Amino acid sequence: QVTLRESGPALVKPTQTLTLTCTFSGFSLSSSPTCVTWIRQPPGKALEWLARFDWNEDKYYRTSLQTRLTVSKDPSKDQVVLTMTNMHPEDTATYYCARVDAGVVSDWGQGILVTVSS
Amino acid sequence: DIQMTQSPSTLSAFVGDRVTIACRASQSIGNWVAWFQQKPGKAPKLLIYRASTLGNGVPSRFSGSGSGTEFTLTISSLQPDDFATYYCQQYNSYFQTFGQGTKVEIK
Repeated sequence: QVTLRESGPALVKPTQTLTLTCTFSGFSLSSSPTCVTWIRQPPGKALEWLARFDWNEDKYYRTSLQTRLTVSKDPSKDQVVLTMTNMHPEDTATYYCARVDAGVVSDWGQGILVTVSS
Repeated sequence: DIQMTQSPSTLSAFVGDRVTIACRASQSIGNWVAWFQQKPGKAPKLLIYRASTLGNGVPSRFSGSGSGTEFTLTISSLQPDDFATYYCQQYNSYFQTFGQGTKVEIK
C-alpha cells in the first residue's frame, strides 16, 4: 500500500524559510519511472505544481519559483524534502506531496496547511 | 507554460444527470491529460489518466476523451458521491499544470 505524509510547521513568518518533509512508503524512489512531486493549493483556489524529484535524482521546479525552491531526498530514509525560502503571505496554502508514476500523479498525501503570517 | 482552461467553473445538476466538463490546452499535448476529483478538506483523487484510462477503483460512470488540445470528462449518471470539484491536468512536460477547477453542485 502506497502512503505519503507531509510534515512541517503550520505557521511561518514572512521572510522565513519553509521546510516540509514527505515521508513515503509502499514504493521505491529508486525505481524508474517513479518521482515524488510537490503541489500546493491556496485556500479556495486551484492546484499549483511546484517541484519534482525523480528516481534518477533529476529535479524540476516551477519556473516562477525556481529561485526559492529546493527539493532533495534523504539518502538514508524514504523522505523527500522541500524548502521554500523568503515566504510571503501569498504562499499560504495546503502543500501536498504525491507519487508520480510514468508521469501520472497517482497517490497523494493528506496535505499540510501552511499559513504565512507575522 | 501550457495553460489548461476548464469550463464551466460551476455546474449545477440533479442526481442521475449526464454531466460533461471541458478542458482546453493552450497547445497540443497529445493525450497526456489526467482528471482529478477533490472533496472539501481532502486531497485530490485520480480519476482518469492518459485522457481516457480509468484509474484504479474508479466507477465506470466516469469517462474521459479527447486528444491534442480538447478534452472532456463525462459522468454518465451523477451520483450523490460525485458532488465535488474536478480538475484537469496536463503532464506533457515536467512542468505540469492544472485547470482552474469545475465545482459540481446539487441542483
